[in-house]
Formats: sequence, C-alpha cells, structure tokens
Amino acid sequence: AQSVTQLDSHVSVSEGTPVLLRCNYSSSYSPSLFWYVQHPNKGLQLLLKYTSAATLVKGINGFEAEFKKSETSFHLTKPSAHMSDAAEYFCVVRGQTGANNLFFGTGTRLTVIP
Amino acid sequence: EAGVAQSPRYKIIEKRQSVAFWCNPISGHATLYWYQQILGQGPKLLIQFQNNGVVDDSQLPKDRFSAERLKGVDSTLKIQPAKLEDSAVYLCASSPAVGGLETQYFGPGTRLLVL
Repeated sequence: AQSVTQLDSHVSVSEGTPVLLRCNYSSSYSPSLFWYVQHPNKGLQLLLKYTSAATLVKGINGFEAEFKKSETSFHLTKPSAHMSDAAEYFCVVRGQTGANNLFFGTGTRLTVIP
Repeated sequence: EAGVAQSPRYKIIEKRQSVAFWCNPISGHATLYWYQQILGQGPKLLIQFQNNGVVDDSQLPKDRFSAERLKGVDSTLKIQPAKLEDSAVYLCASSPAVGGLETQYFGPGTRLLVL
C-alpha cells in the first residue's frame, strides 16, 4: 500500500526566510510523488513531480523537492518565502503502476508573516 | 486553454435531500476524476472515468452516490439522499491520456454543506 505523511499541519515563516514542508512516503514500489498547492477558493495546482528521474526536482514559483530513498522523504523547500506562498500544500503519491489514482496527505497550511 | 469547470460553487441542503454537481473537463482530456475533500483532510478519490467507462469506483459509497459521464466529456456526481457527513468540497480533475500516468488538473471545487 502507498501513503504519505505530512509531518506538520501548520508551518509559519517570515517573509524572505526559507520554507521547509516535510513529507514522508510509504510505498512498496518506486513511487511517483507530487506536491500540490491549494489557494483559498481556487483549484489544486501542481507545483512539481518526481517520477524516478533526477532526485532534485524543480517546480514552479521557486519551489523544489528532493527525493531521498534512504529516508523515504520528499520535503518541499523554497529559499525565500513570499506573501503569495501562503496556502495549503499537499504531498501526494500515485497509486500502483498502471493506475493514475492519487493518494493525498492531510496537508500543511503555510502562513507567511510580513 | 480553459481549465476544469465545476458548478455550482456552493450548495447548502438539508439531510435526506438530493444534490448534483457538474464538471466539464479540459477539452480533449480522456480521464476524469471526482474527489471528496473533507475539512482538514486531503482529497480522496471517489471515482475515475476513462472516456465514458468507469476505471475505479472502489471508494464511492454506492448506496447514495452515483456518477456518470455519458458522452465521455462532462460528468455529473449525485448524492441521494445526503447525510451530514457528506459535507465537503467535491473536486473534479482531468488528465489527457488514456491509460497514461499524466498530470491531473483540478477544478475549483463545489463546497457542499448538509444541514
């Protein structure tokens, strides 16, 4: 079975400081992993995805994530937070090969303090 | 390119009433998904269509929920009768390929409140 665990339900950072949102995964096979962002009253938007190519994945808006098999982690980072980054972030793992079903974590709410 | 469209955006009903949600995927996308997102949780897949056929409906409470995608384009999700625990945001998503592992694009969701 596959699942993801987001270690923090809420993260608060000051504008201009680094962002770290933590995610651990559990999978019996080589996983495909994603980070999605959800702004209030807007649809989920894909930030980045890992599909067994480069372990450091760059996404939109300056976000990146590193796949670490030894730690079963896929943490999301950004060097400098912007006010517009305030949103809910979801770590996601894809279901078994051949299916395109997604399993979402419980989400991390990012607050950016001016 | 237009995104995934959903309507209505908000709906308030009383328990035991019926409700229907509509989704129009991105043009040309073969696969369509309905997710349920309960407050404080991540979205959970309810049903996945490939063209007009069902790929996965293992998490759909079939005693009260139904969904169709008759012409392989837009889709409706119905709840009859609604329960209090059905209060959630219902998200529709679509992806391009048939049988492929493609990025899913999400609509803005329909927020349902059951009183």
